[in-house]
Amino acid sequence: RKEVEQDPGPFNVPEGATVAFNCTYSNSASQSFFWYRQDCRKEPKLLMSVYSSGNEDGRFTAQLNRASQYISLLIRDSKLSDSATYLCVVKGGYNKLIFGAGTRLAVHP
Amino acid sequence: GAGVSQSPSNKVTEKGKDVELRCDPISGHTALYWYRQSLGQGLEFLIYFQGNSAPDKSGLPSDRFSAERTGGSVSTLTIQRTQQEDSAVYLCASSLVGRGGKQGRGNTIYFGEGSWLTVV
Repeated sequence: RKEVEQDPGPFNVPEGATVAFNCTYSNSASQSFFWYRQDCRKEPKLLMSVYSSGNEDGRFTAQLNRASQYISLLIRDSKLSDSATYLCVVKGGYNKLIFGAGTRLAVHP
Repeated sequence: GAGVSQSPSNKVTEKGKDVELRCDPISGHTALYWYRQSLGQGLEFLIYFQGNSAPDKSGLPSDRFSAERTGGSVSTLTIQRTQQEDSAVYLCASSLVGRGGKQGRGNTIYFGEGSWLTVV
């Protein structure tokens, strides 16, 4: 079983739609969680950290469910510019960041 | 520069040759990571340096891969006797806070643009 698992997609949604991604992790001792965004042939960039109480940044909402060991990302009012691959990241032991394989999102007009 | 700098940005090499990839992290960042990403795949952890601690080499795929970090700053990833399956983008990242760091901006890792390696 992979340490961090994501549905690879692609998720094809129209502009304005709401879309949600989930990510599961295997190490129950993991303490820190993040969502990164990666555009085609570009490096990953931090989208948002995921806090235990959940957090929101504009159209983006991240949630953590420790009991079920999953993290979610909700994008409201999708824009064309949201098209990218979204990487779920879990900090394992000794500060090692483990990346999921990513979920592709394609927003169309 | 303000960001993580990697060189070369692109490298084409013949099978069996050795290559060196360089990473210059953000000034003051104590943690440095190397990841590998094959086309259409996720990021594969290779190695992690934190200050003067022994590096975590658990992700290096074979003994043909090695990395060092001199003076706690610049890092070099070396691949000996390259094989075609080594073709990938090699991403370096750094963060301000390393082992035991708290969640927050200081814990964010920043990536370089990567070194695109093609073995022919």
